[in-house]
Amino acid sequence: GNSVTQMEGPVTLSEEAFLTINCTYTATGYPSLFWYVQYPGEGLQLLLKATKADDKGSNKGFEATYRKETTSFHLEKGSVQVSDSAVYFCALSDRSNDYKLSFGAGTTVTVRA
Amino acid sequence: DGGITQSPKYLFRKEGQNVTLSCEQNLNHDAMYWYRQDPGQGLRLIYYSQIVNDFQKGDIAEGYSVSREKKESFPLTVTSAQKNPTAFYLCASGMDPYNEQFFGPGTRLTVL
Repeated sequence: GNSVTQMEGPVTLSEEAFLTINCTYTATGYPSLFWYVQYPGEGLQLLLKATKADDKGSNKGFEATYRKETTSFHLEKGSVQVSDSAVYFCALSDRSNDYKLSFGAGTTVTVRA
Repeated sequence: DGGITQSPKYLFRKEGQNVTLSCEQNLNHDAMYWYRQDPGQGLRLIYYSQIVNDFQKGDIAEGYSVSREKKESFPLTVTSAQKNPTAFYLCASGMDPYNEQFFGPGTRLTVL
């Protein structure tokens, strides 16, 4: 079946540091890949997505590239801000699972001023 | 403003009582979903509906029930059969199953 593995947190960084959150997946077919962000006490917001191999999703300074050869979709940001403190979820959807979203466990990121 | 609303934001119930969580969307989305989130865990799918008057069980449907009588609404009932109902419940919708889902703000249910 489908599964998503994210690097464990929590991750604590200083402002302007480089952020990487690793995400690898297992899927039967050719999934679409997503990064969602959850700010404290809120629902999830779509951060970025990629629907085919070598696609790069980007938004708000975050980027992730769909790497089929390594089954990965790592999230990166070059210079984080305090406002980036949140929980980040990697997810996939795939035809073999009726396009239901499969989520990773989430990575808590705290950015200190 | 288009979006998904969930009410209430916080809900307290006594053990043994059924409780219904509201989810409404005005995005004209066909697909709607209910997830449960527990601390330190990812989201787990409870039920989903791809069209009015039809819905399917997700991974953890036991102790829950839903209805989809209108396109805009997908209420979730947490029954007394749910052994551990205290959690954060998230509703989502999507234009179709193939694209991203949009999430509501969530309802935090505490059973005392």
